[in-house]
Amino acid sequence: DTAVSQTPKYLVTQMGNDKSIKCEQNLGHDTMYWYKQDSKKFLKIMFSYNNKELIINETVPNRFSPKSPDKAHLNLHINSLELGDSAVYFCASSQSLWGRASDTQYFGPGTRLTVL
Amino acid sequence: DQQVKQNSPSLSVQEGRISILNCDYTNSMFDYFLWYKKYPAEGPTFLISISSIKDKNEDGRFTVFLNKSAKHLSLHIVPSQPGDSAVYFCAARPDNYGQNFVFGPGTRLSVLP
Repeated sequence: DTAVSQTPKYLVTQMGNDKSIKCEQNLGHDTMYWYKQDSKKFLKIMFSYNNKELIINETVPNRFSPKSPDKAHLNLHINSLELGDSAVYFCASSQSLWGRASDTQYFGPGTRLTVL
Repeated sequence: DQQVKQNSPSLSVQEGRISILNCDYTNSMFDYFLWYKKYPAEGPTFLISISSIKDKNEDGRFTVFLNKSAKHLSLHIVPSQPGDSAVYFCAARPDNYGQNFVFGPGTRLSVLP
């Protein structure tokens, strides 16, 4: 009974393509996130999102866009993929966005994206 | 600009001994710190946290120590078990800024039987 799930687990694609990664959480959380783990293994937040607010890390290219059909889902769309987009992308969720820091974030298993 | 550093990429410890994982940070505004544990092919899972108003937090075999003046925290695992073998990420939050945590690059712990 997975709390935060992502599909696909692996994604291999050509430069210039457009792709999406799906994320779903069944924890009833209000807030979801996308992280990128780069080649140096740093986990960097890309987006924080709840029903009312989207907070974008200013370093994220606008080729990346989160789309949330409902509170339980936050999909990541990437246009015109580049070689440097190759990374592991993690989805996460937490009870609230501006709540206590002790509101733990729950992570999905990650999607390894390889751009050729 | 690495605000959270874990200078040891890997650490090997004998089963039953103490594991000490270190984390240094540069931003004096960080007020809350967490440790996450990650197994291969899984997402990070929350392990233990500490607020900047404390210098120690303990949960079973896991203890986190915070030295604010040195901008340093450490995770102690006693006794270490083979199931503790994983990558451990340190994360820190800028003062009162919601859930916007900054993560370190992780330390891979191997507990040898």
